[in-house]
Amino acid sequence: GENVEQHPSTLSVQEGDSAVIKCTYSDSASNYFPWYKQELGKGPQLIIDIRSNVGEKKDQRIAVTLNKTAKHFSLHITETQPEDSAVYFCAASQTNFGNEKLTFGTGTRLTIIP
Amino acid sequence: DGGITQSPKYLFRKEGQNVTLSCEQNLNHDAMYWYRQDPGQGLRLIYYSQIVNDFQKGDIAEGYSVSREKKESFPLTVTSAQKNPTAFYLCASSGGRLNTEAFFGQGTRLTVV
Repeated sequence: GENVEQHPSTLSVQEGDSAVIKCTYSDSASNYFPWYKQELGKGPQLIIDIRSNVGEKKDQRIAVTLNKTAKHFSLHITETQPEDSAVYFCAASQTNFGNEKLTFGTGTRLTIIP
Repeated sequence: DGGITQSPKYLFRKEGQNVTLSCEQNLNHDAMYWYRQDPGQGLRLIYYSQIVNDFQKGDIAEGYSVSREKKESFPLTVTSAQKNPTAFYLCASSGGRLNTEAFFGQGTRLTVV
């Protein structure tokens, strides 16, 4: 089955600086890669996703890059703000019927230092 | 207001008792999932269902059971056979196939006392 590894497990950055979180996956058949943000005591919320036919996707201060050859993808947050502090999870899945279940990384606790 | 609702938010159970966690969605999603979250271990898949009356075991199904009698509902029972049930449980749903974005509920924190 799929295995997703995520690094680092904790990350502290000064407000206004950039944060980068990296994930690798094992199953070359995976073709959908979402990123979730989880605030304390709440369920994860999707912040951005990318499919394997695209190398990069950007939404305001958040961007995701995908390298299919190396089987890794990364989340980039620019101009970080205190409200970006949360736990971030990457995930991977396939979009063919029977394989849509998401496999998650172990999470990154991001702390923005004012 | 469309969404996915888990209840209760907090649940206490005595050792040896079964307990059922509720998950309801009104998003008309075909697929539903149960994940368990422990500190430092991310989200691990317990069970998932792609259509009504069908479900499959995930990575950590032992000690759990589910049913999917209605499209909107996917309850999870934590049985007495689950040796370490204290955890945060998350339910999710997605459209399935090409509509893979998963929406999560707010979670149920189960504590065995």
